[in-house]
Amino acid sequence: DVKVTQSSRYLVKRTGEKVFLECVQDMDHENMFWYRQDPGLGLRLIYFSYDVKMKEKGDIPEGYSVSREKKERFSLILESASTNQTSMYLCASSSASGGQETQYFGPGTRLLVL
Amino acid sequence: QKEVEQNSGPLSVPEGAIASLNCTYSDRGSQSFFWYRQYSGKSPELIMSIYSNGDKEDGRFTAQLNKASQYVSLLIRDSQPSDSATYLCAVSQLRGNQFYFGTGTSLTVIP
Repeated sequence: DVKVTQSSRYLVKRTGEKVFLECVQDMDHENMFWYRQDPGLGLRLIYFSYDVKMKEKGDIPEGYSVSREKKERFSLILESASTNQTSMYLCASSSASGGQETQYFGPGTRLLVL
Repeated sequence: QKEVEQNSGPLSVPEGAIASLNCTYSDRGSQSFFWYRQYSGKSPELIMSIYSNGDKEDGRFTAQLNKASQYVSLLIRDSQPSDSATYLCAVSQLRGNQFYFGTGTSLTVIP
């Protein structure tokens, strides 16, 4: 079974703090993704990565950065948290080979920025 | 124009009935199609994937794809209260495996 884990289920931070969200997958997947999910807006892609040290902007990268130093780990960084970044953050991973590109999700991190 | 559109619902069906969930997409180059189920407060979990026109069945679930009409649907037979969730349609255009998600359809199965 594919397993994607995220460092925290719930997180409360103050405006202006630097926030790190970590995601680890154990299936040797090449692709990893960070989404945020808000009511009525669905899942929106923040950043994704095809390989170690590679990153691509998604639809809403502003205010975020990412790091992928190892294949199994993809970190999302909020450089200076703001209240409009309060959301559910979901990490996903997928294999790049053989058309089996199903994305598997972690349990999510619910972030509250005060 | 949204890439992937779903009727947000809520859709209510009685237990034992067939639930029909629909999704349309805008990019004719789309190659792969997925249905995810998401319970409240949880993350999405894959139910079905479909890649070619026609029907694909897995237990009580049937995915239907019509690329000419740019339409994909999910049928849930013998609906159970445990099927009550939000169902997300996702489409991949094989641009680096990026997915485009609909906003989801909320389904309630009434006992």
